[in-house]
Amino acid sequence: AQTVTQSQPEMSVQEAETVTLSCTYDTSENNYYLFWYKQPPSRQMILVIRQEAYKQQNATENRFSVNFQKAAKSFSLKISDSQLGDTAMYFCAFMKQYSNYQLIWGAGTKLIIKP
Amino acid sequence: DVKVTQSSRYLVKRTGEKVFLECVQDMDHENMFWYRQDPGLGLRLIYFSYDVKMKEKGDIPEGYSVSREKKERFSLILESASTNQTSMYLCATGFEKLFFGSGTQLSVL
Repeated sequence: AQTVTQSQPEMSVQEAETVTLSCTYDTSENNYYLFWYKQPPSRQMILVIRQEAYKQQNATENRFSVNFQKAAKSFSLKISDSQLGDTAMYFCAFMKQYSNYQLIWGAGTKLIIKP
Repeated sequence: DVKVTQSSRYLVKRTGEKVFLECVQDMDHENMFWYRQDPGLGLRLIYFSYDVKMKEKGDIPEGYSVSREKKERFSLILESASTNQTSMYLCATGFEKLFFGSGTQLSVL
């Protein structure tokens, strides 16, 4: 069975700093997808970034980028120039191909951006 | 953008009550999901549906049932609520990208 581990329950950084959230996963699958979702205090879960396992290039979305290390089964999220609005719970999730879009979720990391 | 509406933001029920959590999406997606979110445990899948009247058990279906009579509506039912079902419930829809509702915080007293 697949598992997703987020080892940092909580992190805090100053505004404008760069922060990296870690995620590791365990799977025997070769084709899969990885996601980072953000849940702000409003509780609305929002997709931040998505990575296909077959792609070697790391995904980026504006200030958000990932470091995908397939052999190490690691999928960290880097937030550059952090903003107060980045304060949220961040969840890492795994989905194997042809799984009816069922995701396996990590426990989450609470990120606090301090002014 | 896709809108996913959950009928209640907060709900307080008594042990043994039958509880209905409603979810409506406006994008005609086949897939709909019910998750439970607990601190330190992330999201756990209760049930999902990939078509009208179709349902599949997720990881923690015990104590829950679902109904999908129309494509846009997916209901989660707690037949006899218990205190260990106090939790945040999230509905989602989508394919490669999931869209979520704002969640229902359910307290069972």
